[in-house]
Amino acid sequence: RKEVEQDPGPFNVPEGATVAFNCTYSNSASQSFFWYRQDCRKEPKLLMSVYSSGNEDGRFTAQLNRASQYISLLIRDSKLSDSATYLCVVNIGNEKLTFGTGTRLTIIP
Amino acid sequence: EPEVTQTPSHQVTQMGQEVILRCVPISNHLYFYWYRQILGQKVEFLVSFYNNEISEKSEIFDDQFSVERPDGSNFTLKIRSTKLEDSAMYFCASSAGRGRNEQFFGPGTRLTVL
Repeated sequence: RKEVEQDPGPFNVPEGATVAFNCTYSNSASQSFFWYRQDCRKEPKLLMSVYSSGNEDGRFTAQLNRASQYISLLIRDSKLSDSATYLCVVNIGNEKLTFGTGTRLTIIP
Repeated sequence: EPEVTQTPSHQVTQMGQEVILRCVPISNHLYFYWYRQILGQKVEFLVSFYNNEISEKSEIFDDQFSVERPDGSNFTLKIRSTKLEDSAMYFCASSAGRGRNEQFFGPGTRLTVL
């Protein structure tokens, strides 16, 4: 089983729609969780950390389910600028981040 | 807003040559990292560095790789004898602490080995 697993997509959704991404992780000792976004041939940029209680930042909501080892990201009222690859990232409390392969999102005008 | 910077943005080299990739982490950060991303693949951890020594490394980070913090600001990755399969984007990252602390990435160096 992959350490971090994501649906690669692509997701093509119309502007203004709501889109949700899911991610599962295999290591139950994982301690911290993040969503990064990556534009084509650019660096990963931190979108948000994911907390056990769930957290929201504007149009973005992240949820963590430790029992199911599952993380989600919800984007409401999607904008053209949201087109990117969304990376689910996990840390087991040591130095390294473990990345999923990413889910590609394209917002269609 | 402070950011991680990397030079060069693109490096082309011949197989067997040595390359040095440079990074300037965010100034008050204490933990430094190198990751790589082969085209079309996921981002992979190479090495982490704290208090002037390697704190963790992956199986990718073999004897041909080394890291150094030669002064108070730069953090370098050296590849001693490049192979074709070293062609990738190399990202430097830094964080204020370990574990839960967010890591911030530089823009990357695209390494092409011919």
